[in-house]
Amino acid sequence: KQEVTQIPAALSVPEGENLVLNCSFTDSAIYNLQWFRQDPGKGLTSLLLIQSSQREQTSGRLNASLDKSSGRSTLYIAASQPGDSATYLCAVYGGATNKLIFGTGTLLAVQP
Amino acid sequence: DGGITQSPKYLFRKEGQNVTLSCEQNLNHDAMYWYRQDPGQGLRLIYYSQIVNDFQKGDIAEGYSVSREKKESFPLTVTSAQKNPTAFYLCASSMVGETQYFGPGTRLLVL
Repeated sequence: KQEVTQIPAALSVPEGENLVLNCSFTDSAIYNLQWFRQDPGKGLTSLLLIQSSQREQTSGRLNASLDKSSGRSTLYIAASQPGDSATYLCAVYGGATNKLIFGTGTLLAVQP
Repeated sequence: DGGITQSPKYLFRKEGQNVTLSCEQNLNHDAMYWYRQDPGQGLRLIYYSQIVNDFQKGDIAEGYSVSREKKESFPLTVTSAQKNPTAFYLCASSMVGETQYFGPGTRLLVL
């Protein structure tokens, strides 16, 4: 059974710092991996999707990497801003199950 | 405006009552999903549907029911059999195997 773990559960950094969020998964037979952002009391916003054949994806200050063989993904946020404060969730999609399996998220606070 | 909408934003349920959460999308997506989110537990899949008139149970389907009579709509009913319904409910849609787009959520509270 696929399990997705995110470390750390919470992170507080000063504005301007570069930071890395981690995601690990137990079954490497995934179709893709996605990173989402969730603001308090809101729905999820898709940030980046990495197909299983890809190593990384970039969007603005965000860069996500995928190492399928080791079951790991990282989300790198450059020059963090207070507006980046949110919960970040990773999720893996396995073709056999047709389901997204979510991690429990990392709560990020960027201090001005 | 393309997107996915959920209503109501807040819903209150009395003991023994069935309540229905609405989810509508105009993205022409084939697949739709319902998730439940509890603090510290991430999102768990309740039901999903990949085509009209067909749906499958997710990981925590007990106490819930769905229908998919139209491509655009995937309502979720929380029945009286669901003993702990207080949670944040999220609906999503996608083309099969592609990025899921989420609605704004419905918070269900028990009176």
